[in-house]
Amino acid sequence: DVVMTQSPLSLPVTLGQPASISCRSSQSLEYSDGISYLNWFQQRPGQSPRRLIYKASNRDSGVPDRFSGSGSGTDFTLKISRVEAEDVGVYYCMQGTHWPPITFGQGTRLEIK
Amino acid sequence: QVQLVESGGGVVQPGRSLRLSCAASGFTFSSYGMHWVRQAPGKGLEWVAFILYDGSQYYADSVNGRFTISRDNSKNTLYLQMNSLRVEDTAVYYCATGGSGTKIDYWGQGAPVTVSS
Repeated sequence: DVVMTQSPLSLPVTLGQPASISCRSSQSLEYSDGISYLNWFQQRPGQSPRRLIYKASNRDSGVPDRFSGSGSGTDFTLKISRVEAEDVGVYYCMQGTHWPPITFGQGTRLEIK
Repeated sequence: QVQLVESGGGVVQPGRSLRLSCAASGFTFSSYGMHWVRQAPGKGLEWVAFILYDGSQYYADSVNGRFTISRDNSKNTLYLQMNSLRVEDTAVYYCATGGSGTKIDYWGQGAPVTVSS
């Protein structure tokens, strides 16, 4: 199974400052069609997860443009250009290239400093 | 808009069974693959099972042989039959939409399951 490793696991950020979360996979996530099936999810306290980014760099509808995804192969990054209070929660990366099984990172807890 | 509503969660003793349901609306259910994903208290996300639009099923090793995913396209409903439940199956169970298995799109609100004597 593909292991997804996120860092950091805890991310204190000052409001208005940028934030960055790394996600590394134990195998390349590039599928035979050239696409990396890497998703990013946000889980606010007490809520279900919500997808932010799909195919590594595509922002979902309704997701603020301060969120961006990048990366290829085994290294991926979620960036928030300016953190707002509503961004508090846990962020997960997920790979679907080598399913089954789908595998998730451990999660990164973003908090306001 | 896509709506997924889970039901059937509760408290059950180890070794017993429970069936979760997920009522889907807002999209063509019969054309979509569907997932179950769980989250143990204070822990991260764990994929449980996936069913393609044609009924093909896939399972995590941790539940294979004990859980069965199924769907009723006439009722727009997804199911998870959980047998031989263990304490470590305690979690919130989410149903979620997927395509061919490579992605997860929308999530339900979750159904809590507690396995305890």
